Amino acid sequence: DVKVTQSSRYLVKRTGEKVFLECVQDMDHENMFWYRQDPGLGLRLIYFSYDVKMKEKGDIPEGYSVSREKKERFSLILESASTNQTSMYLCATNRYRAGNYGYTFGSGTRLTVV
Amino acid sequence: EDKVVQSPLSLVVHEGDTVTLNCSYEVTNFRSLLWYKQEKKAPTFLFMLTSSGIEKKSGRLSSILDKKELSSILNITATQTGDSAIYLCALNSNSGYALNFGKGTSLLVTP
Repeated sequence: DVKVTQSSRYLVKRTGEKVFLECVQDMDHENMFWYRQDPGLGLRLIYFSYDVKMKEKGDIPEGYSVSREKKERFSLILESASTNQTSMYLCATNRYRAGNYGYTFGSGTRLTVV
Repeated sequence: EDKVVQSPLSLVVHEGDTVTLNCSYEVTNFRSLLWYKQEKKAPTFLFMLTSSGIEKKSGRLSSILDKKELSSILNITATQTGDSAIYLCALNSNSGYALNFGKGTSLLVTP
């Protein structure tokens, strides 16, 4: 079974702090994704990566950046956390070249910015 | 504009009821449509649909894709309190890497 691990389940940070959310997968998947999930808005794509050092903006990249230095690890960075970034953050992976695959999700990180 | 629209957004039923959740979409060319169940944490995979008219079943859950109507339904028969969750529909389009999610249907099954 693919395992996707997010480093923290719950996180509380102060406004203006730099925040790192880590996601690690153990199955050699090419693609990794970061979503945020908010009530009434569903899952919205922040960034994704289809290879090491490659990244693409999703629908809501403002205020975020990402890093993928190794295939198994995809980090989401909040450069200067703000209260409107309080949300559930979900990491997901899939294997693109094998064809038609959905995601495997991490357990999520619930971030509160105070 | 939403490309994947789920309805209803929320639903409350009694144990034993049958429910039908809807997912409609706009694109005509896509790889697959997926359904996920999300309880307290990460979404878990339910079904992947690629062909129209072929029902997929897993226990009391079933799903079918109608490419003519640009829609899919998820049926749950004899609901149980453990079915209470958010059900997510997502489209895997031809043009991109990422899944495009609907806003989800929040289902509450009361005893």
